[in-house]
Amino acid sequence: KQEVTQIPAALSVPEGENLVLNCSFTDSAIYNLQWFRQDPGKGLTSLLLIQSSQREQTSGRLNASLDKSSGRSTLYIAASQPGDSATYLCAAAGGTSYGKLTFGQGTILTVHP
Amino acid sequence: GAVVSQHPSRVICKSGTSVKIECRSLDFQATTMFWYRQFPKQSLMLMATSNEGSKATYEQGVEKDKFLINHASLTLSTLTVTSAHPEDSSFYICSARQTGGREKLFFGSGTQLSVL
Repeated sequence: KQEVTQIPAALSVPEGENLVLNCSFTDSAIYNLQWFRQDPGKGLTSLLLIQSSQREQTSGRLNASLDKSSGRSTLYIAASQPGDSATYLCAAAGGTSYGKLTFGQGTILTVHP
Repeated sequence: GAVVSQHPSRVICKSGTSVKIECRSLDFQATTMFWYRQFPKQSLMLMATSNEGSKATYEQGVEKDKFLINHASLTLSTLTVTSAHPEDSSFYICSARQTGGREKLFFGSGTQLSVL
């Protein structure tokens, strides 16, 4: 059974700082690894999707890496802004169905001015 | 981008009543939709996979007679929590896979269910 863990559970940083969120998974037979953002009381916004054959994906100030052999993924946020404050979730898609996601518990990020 | 509408966003009901949650793909067709729930301070957990025109596939430990899923069209899936009890209070969220599309999933905004 896949288990996904995110560290740290919460992170508070000053504006402008670069930061890294960590995600680990126990079963390397994944279809893809996704990072989402969740704002309070709202749904999920997909940030980055890394295929199992890929090593990283970039979108703007976000960069996500994937190391299947070690069961790890990181989300790097450059030059953080207060608007980045949210809960960040990583999710591993099952080996045969990309729709069945196993989520981590999330990292609550607060970026203060 | 593709939009998934989930309704209602919040519902409070008495124990024993049934609650229906709708998940609609507004500008695309979704052969498959997924239902998740999230208890406070816990991860989102997949409950079931909903396929248009066929029976839903439930994850282990999820009671199919309690959580009725209907996916009658390519744009609508519903989750009905039957005879709701306080322990069913949770955040329910759906996601939709665009038919013929790539792996990206689109999520609804979620429904916060509180059973008194």
